[in-house]
Amino acid sequence: GAVVSQHPSRVICKSGTSVKIECRSLDFQATTMFWYRQFPKQSLMLMATSNEGSKATYEQGVEKDKFLINHASLTLSTLTVTSAHPEDSSFYICSARRQASGNEQFFGPGTRLTVL
Amino acid sequence: QKEVEQNSGPLSVPEGAIASLNCTYSDRGSQSFFWYRQYSGKSPELIMFIYSNGDKEDGRFTAQLNKASQYVSLLIRDSQPSDSATYLCAVAAGNNRKLIWGLGTSLAVNP
Repeated sequence: GAVVSQHPSRVICKSGTSVKIECRSLDFQATTMFWYRQFPKQSLMLMATSNEGSKATYEQGVEKDKFLINHASLTLSTLTVTSAHPEDSSFYICSARRQASGNEQFFGPGTRLTVL
Repeated sequence: QKEVEQNSGPLSVPEGAIASLNCTYSDRGSQSFFWYRQYSGKSPELIMFIYSNGDKEDGRFTAQLNKASQYVSLLIRDSQPSDSATYLCAVAAGNNRKLIWGLGTSLAVNP
């Protein structure tokens, strides 16, 4: 159990467009999902914490109007990168925490975004 | 500022040896501790978690926790080249808390 999927796995887009990334917990309910970003050869950077049915909590320095997060159900959270620019090119990874469980997070396979 | 520190490495060990990865944390209120493995270009994968002082073994992996000294370690016995990856330590204080991440230790197991 504890499988998390992400879609798409890879996306290339033009500067100025918006990109939506989906994160799904396939075999468990996730009250909390997390969105991370990772640049090459750098560590994970938490962007925001997403709780089902409520507004996401963004980390300091992350623009909430640029990175829109929606957690509409216990199995789905989405991240929309609005008006993407080349500096937004990165590896975006979601994780999910099981309902009524410990703090362990299970990660999706990640989405590699390239903005031209 | 709550911190989790790891030696960045690279840590290089020969195949079959024991690899020892260490992690220290600053928040004495931390209650749960995790080791993740991340291959290059892939997302992290949970290997071990530990909540109580002492050792926890799972196959070739052993997590060791010492809350008094504020460190947690991961031992990998009979290291294999497929163990070559970056190992991330993560810590949380209490339930329903976000994880505080270390920067990771790069491990290379040489055949």
